[in-house]
Amino acid sequence: DAGVTQSPTHLIKTRGQHVTLRCSPISGHKSVSWYQQVLGQGPQFIFQYYEKEERGRGNFPDRFSARQFPNYSSELNVNALLLGDSALYLCASSFSGMGTGELFFGEGSRLTVL
Amino acid sequence: GESVGLHLPTLSVQEGDNSIINCAYSNSASDYFIWYKQESGKGPQFIIDIRSNMDKRQGQRVTVLLNKTVKHLSLQIAATQPGDSAVYFCADATSGTYKYIFGTGTRLKVLA
Repeated sequence: DAGVTQSPTHLIKTRGQHVTLRCSPISGHKSVSWYQQVLGQGPQFIFQYYEKEERGRGNFPDRFSARQFPNYSSELNVNALLLGDSALYLCASSFSGMGTGELFFGEGSRLTVL
Repeated sequence: GESVGLHLPTLSVQEGDNSIINCAYSNSASDYFIWYKQESGKGPQFIIDIRSNMDKRQGQRVTVLLNKTVKHLSLQIAATQPGDSAVYFCADATSGTYKYIFGTGTRLKVLA
């Protein structure tokens, strides 16, 4: 079975641009979470969606937004990119968003902002 | 704010020896703890988890210990192998918050 898939795997943008990252969860998983991982640090929570509703939001500015589609896939959007947005963006899925349990991570989308 | 941190940023062990990676957490309300392994260029991979109603859990070559009194957990890897070389993260969560807080990570280097 396919794991969590993310696209694109790598991308380069310039300051001020906008980016959309995509994620497909494991089949049957209804919850998707997004994490930002800056080089040399642990992942930082951005959003969690369950059944198309936002269930949690981390300490990120409003330039960051996300949504979940009826098929449970998700998009992360970042507007007005800053140099500090350069990071690995990780998507994780889980069957239930109603409690704790293993998060299954994708390989990530590496964003470089020049 | 609440955070989960690691005591040692880098740990070097001889192949075949046991490894112990430590982690401290600060949120006394945390009731779920998980260890992930991340190899270069890849996403985090699940190793083992433990809930707050337990103090020890064993998997294949790995054991997680939880000490709620001092808010500390550790990951023990038996007979460390070259394939264990990676960065290891601990994370904690509180039921109902949907937010996992990751530590900075410990790099494990296995020496041949």
